[in-house]
Amino acid sequence: AQSVTQLDSQVPVFEEAPVELRCNYSSSVSVYLFWYVQYPNQGLQLLLKYLSGSTLVKGINGFEAEFNKSQTSFHLRKPSVHISDTAEYFCAVSDRGFSGGYNKLIFGAGTRLAVHP
Amino acid sequence: GAGVSQSPRYKVAKRGQDVALRCDPISGHVSLFWYQQALGQGPEFLTYFQNEAQLDKSGLPSDRFFAERPEGSVSTLKIQRTQQEDSAVYLCASSLGTANTEAFFGQGTRLTVV
Repeated sequence: AQSVTQLDSQVPVFEEAPVELRCNYSSSVSVYLFWYVQYPNQGLQLLLKYLSGSTLVKGINGFEAEFNKSQTSFHLRKPSVHISDTAEYFCAVSDRGFSGGYNKLIFGAGTRLAVHP
Repeated sequence: GAGVSQSPRYKVAKRGQDVALRCDPISGHVSLFWYQQALGQGPEFLTYFQNEAQLDKSGLPSDRFFAERPEGSVSTLKIQRTQQEDSAVYLCASSLGTANTEAFFGQGTRLTVV
């Protein structure tokens, strides 16, 4: 069964500093990969996704992630964070070969990013 | 509407009570998902609809959980005889197609069973 590990439950960082949120997945099959952001009392919003092609994926709000198949990782990065980036971030995978033909997402436990002035 | 709408936003239920949670997906979206998010955890898949057909209910934790989407638009998640472990945020998501289409999430319904 697939699983997603987000190695840090909380990441404190100062404004304008770079940040990396780590995500590793455990799967013997090819996967699609996603990062979602959840602001307080809101639903999940898609930041970026990797389906195929270039392993470096750029998303909204200046975020990017790199798919590393050999390390089964999909770490999220931003070169300079803002106070408004404070939120919960979730990494998710779905099975590329799933016969059902829909993206059944398996989520990690989340990383709380706290940006301080 | 402009996005996925869920109601109520908050629900407090006494243990043993039945509850119904509503999801209005984005108009025209074929796929609809329900997820359960326990406190401090990531969302966990409950069930999937393609139009009115419930194609996957493998994540429903017990036979007390029931979901329907009779006309292929609005969906209802019903929980019978609620228990404390049912306390969670229930998220609904919809997508225009099936594979490889972005899922848009609602704000969720926070269910507290007391």
